Amino acid sequence: GAGVSQSPRYKVAKRGQDVALRCDPISGHVSLFWYQQALGQGPEFLTYFQNEAQLDKSGLPSDRFFAERPEGSVSTLKIQRTQQEDSAVYLCASSAAGTGQETQYFGPGTRLLVL
Amino acid sequence: DAKTTQPTSMDCAEGRAANLPCNHSTISGNEYVYWYRQIHSQGPQYIIHGLKNNETNEMASLIITEDRKSSTLILPHATLRDTAVYYCIVRPYGNNRLAFGKGNQVVVIP
Repeated sequence: GAGVSQSPRYKVAKRGQDVALRCDPISGHVSLFWYQQALGQGPEFLTYFQNEAQLDKSGLPSDRFFAERPEGSVSTLKIQRTQQEDSAVYLCASSAAGTGQETQYFGPGTRLLVL
Repeated sequence: DAKTTQPTSMDCAEGRAANLPCNHSTISGNEYVYWYRQIHSQGPQYIIHGLKNNETNEMASLIITEDRKSSTLILPHATLRDTAVYYCIVRPYGNNRLAFGKGNQVVVIP
């Protein structure tokens, strides 16, 4: 079956613009994660959903970052008033259940460049 | 979460076994060792994980020392497609997030 998909794959935004990044997890996967990966660094956790409930948002860097998963499947990461330091690859991952030890399957990421 | 230490980079010969070390001297009893890799411009890919016993799957073997303070990921026959950044991650049981660190850039050389 299809893996995790993300769109768009590339996004260029002017500083101050709002952006929305989409994640389609593997069908039936309960858990969904967002990570941010700066150039030359490993991915860093942003937030976690179990179905539609956002159980952990401690990694979101500021209140400009907002994530939702209203129907427990597709998720959107929104960044308001983008800044240059938001430039990064945004990775989405999903896992089958919510017990904490399942394999996380990652999408290809969205590369965001803020000018 | 326990911190891991890996080489910044290493080269491996194509067709030979690649042994990737990881130190996790502060690991606690309920923490698992996970390995992921990230090929250029792709998302991370799960390889293997273990608690204290050695593990093997179709991709790799994981050897964990008896004191659990270090581990080695073994790619039995490295190919050029194994060139990637390899991440050793210590993950407490029940913890959903993965703490990646900077990883080990492994280059397989023909």
